[in-house]
Amino acid sequence: AQKVTQAQTEISVVEKEDVTLDCVYETRDTTYYLFWYKQPPSGELVFLIRRNSFDEQNEISGRYSWNFQKSTSSFNFTITASQVVDSAVYFCALSENTGNQFYFGTGTSLTVIP
Amino acid sequence: NAGVTQTPKFRVLKTGQSMTLLCAQDMNHEYMYWYRQDPGMGLRLIHYSVGEGTTAKGEVPDGYNVSRLKKQNFLLGLESAAPSQTSVYFCASSYEGARHSPLHFGNGTRLTVT
Repeated sequence: AQKVTQAQTEISVVEKEDVTLDCVYETRDTTYYLFWYKQPPSGELVFLIRRNSFDEQNEISGRYSWNFQKSTSSFNFTITASQVVDSAVYFCALSENTGNQFYFGTGTSLTVIP
Repeated sequence: NAGVTQTPKFRVLKTGQSMTLLCAQDMNHEYMYWYRQDPGMGLRLIHYSVGEGTTAKGEVPDGYNVSRLKKQNFLLGLESAAPSQTSVYFCASSYEGARHSPLHFGNGTRLTVT
C-alpha cells in the first residue's frame, strides 16, 4: 500500500492565485516525520520543511504554509499568491520512527501561468 | 561546500553493459541513499547505507549493487544494464537518518539504456 498519496498529478494556476497541494499519509507509528521537497525544472531536489508527529501547529514561511492534521492524516501545502518561479514538481515524504527509509509520494506538478 | 556530488551527470549504455555511479558527500553524513525517479512513480529507494561498510536493500534493489567503503562515498553499480533501468538516479545523504534529518540530494544522473 502506498504510504504517501499525492492525488493531484498536475495542477495549473494563473499567477497570483493561491494553490493547495494535498498529501495524505499512512503509518502505524505514533512518532513520524513529514517532509516537502521541491523539484524545479532544473531537476535538483530542494528540502522545504520537516514536521514531526507531535507538532500539529501550522507553519508559515513567506508565501508558503503547511497544514498538518493528524485526524485526517494529511499534510497539505499552500502557496499564496503563486509566482512563475513556483512552477515545479512537489514531493511529500514520510519517515517513520522505525526504520531508516523515506517514503515519497508520486509528486504534484505545479505550473504557474503568467 | 559542495554538498552531495554525483558523477556522471548523463550516461547512455547499451543493454548488457555495466557502469558505476559515484556519489560523494562532504558533510560527514552517516546515512546515504540511492533513489531512482521515473515518471508518475515518484522517488523509489534502491539501496541505502547507515554507515561506512554497511548497505541495505530498499524498495527496488534488483539489478543494482552498492558499496560504501568510505564514509563519504556511496557507489551504485549496474552489472548488466537493461532498458528498464533507464531513469534519473539521485543520491542523497542525511546526518541522523530518516527519523530526524532531511535529505540532501545530488543533482541527479540521467541514465539511458538502449
